[in-house]
Amino acid sequence: GESVGLHLPTLSVQEGDNSIINCAYSNSASDYFIWYKQESGKGPQFIIDIRSNMDKRQGQRVTVLLNKTVKHLSLQIAATQPGDSAVYFCAENSYRDNYGQNFVFGPGTRLSVLP
Amino acid sequence: ETGVTQSPTHLIKTRGQQVTLRCSSQSGHNTVSWYQQALGQGPQFIFQYYREEENGRGNFPPRFSGLQFPNYSSELNVNALELDDSALYLCASSRVTARDTQYFGPGTRLTVL
Repeated sequence: GESVGLHLPTLSVQEGDNSIINCAYSNSASDYFIWYKQESGKGPQFIIDIRSNMDKRQGQRVTVLLNKTVKHLSLQIAATQPGDSAVYFCAENSYRDNYGQNFVFGPGTRLSVLP
Repeated sequence: ETGVTQSPTHLIKTRGQQVTLRCSSQSGHNTVSWYQQALGQGPQFIFQYYREEENGRGNFPPRFSGLQFPNYSSELNVNALELDDSALYLCASSRVTARDTQYFGPGTRLTVL
């Protein structure tokens, strides 16, 4: 998808460094969260998910942290690579509100990896 | 690749026309959700289909309608197109319900002139 938003928050990191992308979610009833990566011309790609009974989950080179007290989610990418350059979205889902029918997406953060 | 396919890739229409977009879900998935993504924004939920019935709807007018077929593929129809309908339309499929992970297709880019 062309999320080439001209006004998206942007995070620039050096290749090989770690990246941390933050997301503040709005619904205190949200209990399931997903991080998606969207490259230009493509649909969102699943990275990692976490449910509210956890505060940390690790994948391959990625870690998601959930702080329900302050309604904050973060995605950590280890040893950032040029292929990680994309727009990253957090998405929240609430079973209480509508049986979890849909995800609500944040505005996105553009990650730019510098050589 | 997720296994979710969408057609067409791009489409240009004029205001007032009607459009149909198509989505084939990933094998084993019986729930399809449609999202609209305007330029520079996150996807917004339009509606979801489960077992051929609408199972939830976002804040979109009735001129946005859909169908799901017995093979779980789906269509999104938009009548009386408006300029603001120009966007990327994304289809996502999941097992059983949206409480399971949603996997997205590549999207259809609709331009309304």
